[in-house]
Amino acid sequence: AQTVTQSQPEMSVQEAETVTLSCTYDTSENNYYLFWYKQPPSRQMILVIRQEAYKQQNATENRFSVNFQKAAKSFSLKISDSQLGDTAMYFCAFPLRNTPLVFGKGTRLSVIA
Amino acid sequence: NAGVTQTPKFQVLKTGQSMTLQCAQDMNHEYMSWYRQDPGMGLRLIHYSVGAGITDQGEVPNGYNVSRSTTEDFPLRLLSAAPSQTSVYFCASSRPQGHEQFFGPGTRLTVL
Repeated sequence: AQTVTQSQPEMSVQEAETVTLSCTYDTSENNYYLFWYKQPPSRQMILVIRQEAYKQQNATENRFSVNFQKAAKSFSLKISDSQLGDTAMYFCAFPLRNTPLVFGKGTRLSVIA
Repeated sequence: NAGVTQTPKFQVLKTGQSMTLQCAQDMNHEYMSWYRQDPGMGLRLIHYSVGAGITDQGEVPNGYNVSRSTTEDFPLRLLSAAPSQTSVYFCASSRPQGHEQFFGPGTRLTVL
């Protein structure tokens, strides 16, 4: 079975500080993709960042970056210079073979002024 | 370009009633899927489709039915609503594996 585990149900961070959200996964595949999605209070699901497993370089999107450790099956999200608008649920996800995404249970992040 | 649209946004049903949640996308995506979101459970896959005429079950398919007669539309049918189906339902679409999934705004369903 392929699963996604987010071990931190809730986290908080001071504005302008850095925070890291953890995600581990289990798969027997060698080539796959990993995603982080953000869900603010509006409930809309928004793609934050995407990583291709065959690329060793970690993906970066502005203040968001990942630490991808393929052997350890770990895919953490780092948010730098946290802003109040980063307050949201964050979900790690990856697709099973030929299927849509499987999601972790999420981490609720609160950015404190 | 509307993306993924869902109707209705809110719905209240009585136990035993049936209804259909509508989902449409205008991006010509092959993949479409339905998720439900419950507190502390993340998003769980109900049913999905990899193309018109092809559907398959996800993690929590019981009590739900789908069909995909066109690329654009992927309705979700609740056959006989139960209180355990109270949830927020999301429809999503994407190109084949590895591409971003685009989500609709969700439907909040309450079953009394």
